[in-house]
Amino acid sequence: GQSLEQPSEVTAVEGAIVQINCTYQTSGFYGLSWYQQHDGGAPTFLSYNGLDGLEETGRFSSFLSRSDSYGYLLLQELQMKDSASYLCAVMDSNYQLIWGAGTKLIIKP
Amino acid sequence: GAVVSQHPSRVICKSGTSVKIECRSLDFQATTMFWYRQFPKQSLMLMATSNEGSKATYEQGVEKDKFLINHASLTLSTLTVTSAHPEDSSFYICSFREGEEINEQYFGPGTRLTVT
Repeated sequence: GQSLEQPSEVTAVEGAIVQINCTYQTSGFYGLSWYQQHDGGAPTFLSYNGLDGLEETGRFSSFLSRSDSYGYLLLQELQMKDSASYLCAVMDSNYQLIWGAGTKLIIKP
Repeated sequence: GAVVSQHPSRVICKSGTSVKIECRSLDFQATTMFWYRQFPKQSLMLMATSNEGSKATYEQGVEKDKFLINHASLTLSTLTVTSAHPEDSSFYICSFREGEEINEQYFGPGTRLTVT
């Protein structure tokens, strides 16, 4: 079957750096995406990696290694507003997004 | 980015009644929309893919007669939960892809359905 694995919860301190990992096992692969979801809200798109390497967008960066079926989201200079769940998603060979269960990021002052 | 509206944001209904959720794309034409369901602390579960002018494609295990999807225009898709039961209580979210940008999906704000 298809699956994505990511930690259920990560805790970090305001101003610090945190990395959220995602490993996947899917039928086909067209890219790894990251979404942010606040409690009670819908996911919002953060980043996309179609090729190996690092993509940087402001304080957020995302990395992909297709040979390892692995990626991560890196958040720098953490702010309290970054407290949310972060979902990784892989687009499979049917162009459908397969979702991870999400990682809840808890930020302490 | 593109904007999607979803209505209502919250709804409480009695068991056995039907509820309609509307999803509108406000500044683009969405040929394909997706309906998801999310239970607490779980990942998004794709329920069906809605194509404008044609029948929706349902995921395995999703009852098409219970979850009626209508994508009548390029800007509106509706999901009707018929004969709702407490186990249908969930967070329902619509989403779409814009044109050829398959790597990004835009989501509506979601509808919290509670069936009593």
